[in-house]
Amino acid sequence: GENVEQHPSTLSVQEGDSAVIKCTYSDSASNYFPWYKQELGKGPQLIIDIRSNVGEKKDQRIAVTLNKTAKHFSLHITETQPEDSAVYFCAASIGDFNKFYFGSGTKLNVKP
Amino acid sequence: GAVVSQHPSRVICKSGTSVKIECRSLDFQATTMFWYRQFPKQSLMLMATSNEGSKATYEQGVEKDKFLINHASLTLSTLTVTSAHPEDSSFYICSASDRDRHYNEQFFGPGTRLTVL
Repeated sequence: GENVEQHPSTLSVQEGDSAVIKCTYSDSASNYFPWYKQELGKGPQLIIDIRSNVGEKKDQRIAVTLNKTAKHFSLHITETQPEDSAVYFCAASIGDFNKFYFGSGTKLNVKP
Repeated sequence: GAVVSQHPSRVICKSGTSVKIECRSLDFQATTMFWYRQFPKQSLMLMATSNEGSKATYEQGVEKDKFLINHASLTLSTLTVTSAHPEDSSFYICSASDRDRHYNEQFFGPGTRLTVL
């Protein structure tokens, strides 16, 4: 099956700096890559996603890039704010409406 | 849009009792629902996938007789933890997807914290 690895496990940045979280996947058939933000004691919230036919997607301060050849995708957060502090999970899905394979999570701490 | 609720948000029960957790899609029809379990500081572990009107498909290692899943309608799925024991204490999260409206997106509920004494 699919294996998703996520790095780093923790990331501390100063407010206003950029943060980058990277994920790799093993199955070249994976075609959908969402990113979720999870605050303590809450369920994950979808923040951005990308499909395999696209190389990059941006939504205000958040962007995701996908390199299908290298089988990795990254989350980029610019101008970080304290409210960006949370745990971020990447995931990969093979085919349509199939289960997600989640990364291990990255705890982002944005210091004011 | 795409709001998913869970009830209860927290439950404490005695060992040996059964607990039912509800997952509802509030503004869309959930053709598929997923149930996850999450231990502290760990990732989400998929327990089972359920399609409306069908039996749930359980992941390897998940006891189907212990974790009963029902997806009787397009807006409601339930997870029943039968004869709960302290090791079943965890954060249970559901997600929902609508094949007609959403591509592969899964929308997550707020989670249910189960504590078994």
